[in-house]
Amino acid sequence: GENVEQHPSTLSVQEGDSAVIKCTYSDSASNYFPWYKQELGKRPQLIIDIRSNVGEKKDQRIAVTLNKTAKHFSLHITETQPEDSAVYFCAASRQHHNAGNMLTFGGGTRLMVKP
Amino acid sequence: GAVVSQHPSWVICKSGTSVKIECRSLDFQATTMFWYRQFPKQSLMLMATSNEGSKATYEQGVEKDKFLINHASLTLSTLTVTSAHPEDSSFYICSARDSPGSPLHFGNGTRLTVT
Repeated sequence: GENVEQHPSTLSVQEGDSAVIKCTYSDSASNYFPWYKQELGKRPQLIIDIRSNVGEKKDQRIAVTLNKTAKHFSLHITETQPEDSAVYFCAASRQHHNAGNMLTFGGGTRLMVKP
Repeated sequence: GAVVSQHPSWVICKSGTSVKIECRSLDFQATTMFWYRQFPKQSLMLMATSNEGSKATYEQGVEKDKFLINHASLTLSTLTVTSAHPEDSSFYICSARDSPGSPLHFGNGTRLTVT
């Protein structure tokens, strides 16, 4: 099955700096890679996702890059703000023509943005 | 957007009792729902895939007789933790897609504490 590794497990940055979180996956057939932000005791919230036919995607201060050959993808947050502090999870799955494709999550990264 | 409702949000029960958690898709039909478990400071681990009208598919190491899943309709899946023990205390989250290829939508989660 799929195995997703995520690094670092904790990340502390100064407000305004950039933060980068990296993930690797094992299943070359995976073609969908979402990133979730989870605040303490709450549900994971999708912040950005990328499919395997795209190498990079950006949404305001958040960007994700994908290297299919190396089987790794990264989340980039620029101009970090204290409200960006949370746990971030990467995930991978195969997306086919049905809805029954499960996600495999990385171990999570606790991001702390210091004011 | 698609909404997944989970109930209850928290429950405290005594060891040996059973607890039922409901997961509803409010504005879409979900033939497949997923149940995850999350221990403190850890990632989301898939427990089982719930399939409407058929048996759930359990991940390795998850006891199907202990974690009973029923997906009787296209909008409701239930997870029953039978004979709960303190080690079952965790955050249980359900999720579903509103269509093939769409992002996964999560319920708010249920924090189970077994005393």
